[in-house]
Amino acid sequence: DTGVSQNPRHKITKRGQNVTFRCDPISEHNRLYWYRQTLGQGPEFLTYFQNEAQLEKSRLLSDRFSAERPKGSFSTLEIQRTEQGDSAMYLCASSFSASGQYTEAFFGQGTRLTVV
Amino acid sequence: AQSVTQLDSQVPVFEEAPVELRCNYSSSVSVYLFWYVQYPNQGLQLLLKYLSGSTLVESINGFEAEFNKSQTSFHLRKPSVHISDTAEYFCAVSPRGSGNTGKLIFGQGTTLQVKP
Repeated sequence: DTGVSQNPRHKITKRGQNVTFRCDPISEHNRLYWYRQTLGQGPEFLTYFQNEAQLEKSRLLSDRFSAERPKGSFSTLEIQRTEQGDSAMYLCASSFSASGQYTEAFFGQGTRLTVV
Repeated sequence: AQSVTQLDSQVPVFEEAPVELRCNYSSSVSVYLFWYVQYPNQGLQLLLKYLSGSTLVESINGFEAEFNKSQTSFHLRKPSVHISDTAEYFCAVSPRGSGNTGKLIFGQGTTLQVKP
């Protein structure tokens, strides 16, 4: 297993454009998370999927942001009408959980978005 | 709600010296506690975790952390650091219980800079 994979690794876009990022979790991991990390800060939780169901969304996730996880496998995060404040590292993590027990979440290397 | 405060944004230290990275948290519910490390141009990696049992937990590379419930702290220590320990360190918590989603709440991070 190659771990959590995120694509692209880097994205530069003009303000107002739409962007989409992809995350491929570790196979058979039923939980998938998106976080955002700005310079000098720790990662901030954005949203969480259990299989294909999006079960929690942070207030940070404005209506310009949408995430999907069709068929409970890979996930996409789309940002519409990007703003300079969207510039950040977007991190994806996955884990397998049964019966609510703790299991380790594994992180991808992230997608760095720069909005110019 | 939960919050995590890392009391030092940067910690410069000479090689082979001891180091302590401080972490305090606030939570209305019981939490799991974690330290993650992020080496330059790499993803987040779990360094160590406290789930239950002994309040002193250790990593394979010589770090240890002690959970102090009364002080709501989870400080990270190493008796002798190496140049290779230079990295960003993040303290994080995750709520326990039947509603545990595995969501992580991170601190702002501490940059450990080990000098020769």
